[in-house]
Amino acid sequence: NAGVTQTPKFRVLKTGQSMTLLCAQDMNHEYMYWYRQDPGMGLRLIHYSVGEGTTAKGEVPDGYNVSRLKKQNFLLGLESAAPSQTSVYFCASSFVSGGAYEQYFGPGTRLTVT
Amino acid sequence: GNSVTQMEGPVTLSEEAFLTINCTYTATGYPSLFWYVQYPGEGLQLLLKATKADDKGSNKGFEATYRKETTSFHLEKGSVQVSDSAVYFCALIPRQGGSEKLVFGKGMKLTVNP
Repeated sequence: NAGVTQTPKFRVLKTGQSMTLLCAQDMNHEYMYWYRQDPGMGLRLIHYSVGEGTTAKGEVPDGYNVSRLKKQNFLLGLESAAPSQTSVYFCASSFVSGGAYEQYFGPGTRLTVT
Repeated sequence: GNSVTQMEGPVTLSEEAFLTINCTYTATGYPSLFWYVQYPGEGLQLLLKATKADDKGSNKGFEATYRKETTSFHLEKGSVQVSDSAVYFCALIPRQGGSEKLVFGKGMKLTVNP
């Protein structure tokens, strides 16, 4: 099992450019999440999905869109990048089950917007 | 609302020193509690968890006990190693409305010197 993978690992964008981050998981998880990590802020939830074809807003959704066309993939899009979106982006996934809903994280994508 | 407050550091210790990272939470109901660890250049990994009061989570020599009366989940290790150098995040999942959304503290960077 590869677990959770993210593409690309690094990216530099100019202000106003667009891009899509891809997250893939091979654990047959129902739930998938996108977070951003900024110094001194911990991780903040951008969007999440409770199943194929569904998405929902998290804590900081503005400026981002997501899609979950296939159960194993969760895409994060930036339509018009801004310097405030410079961050490290993490994808995560989890089962829907009783108990503690452990989330499994990908290795991250470091995005710089100039 | 739901929130997690933890020591932010950074903290530098010598090898074999005792480690405590304080974590307190605010949540309605009885959340599940987690400690995640992020090694340099990697994504987050679950270190340990506890799902009900008085549960003790343990892994790799780390321990934390779910204290409902003090709303705390402090992380401890009796003798740290250089390989424990990482950022540590306390987190919770609230048990309300079936939400599976992790709420993170801001993280604490630990450096262990030989």
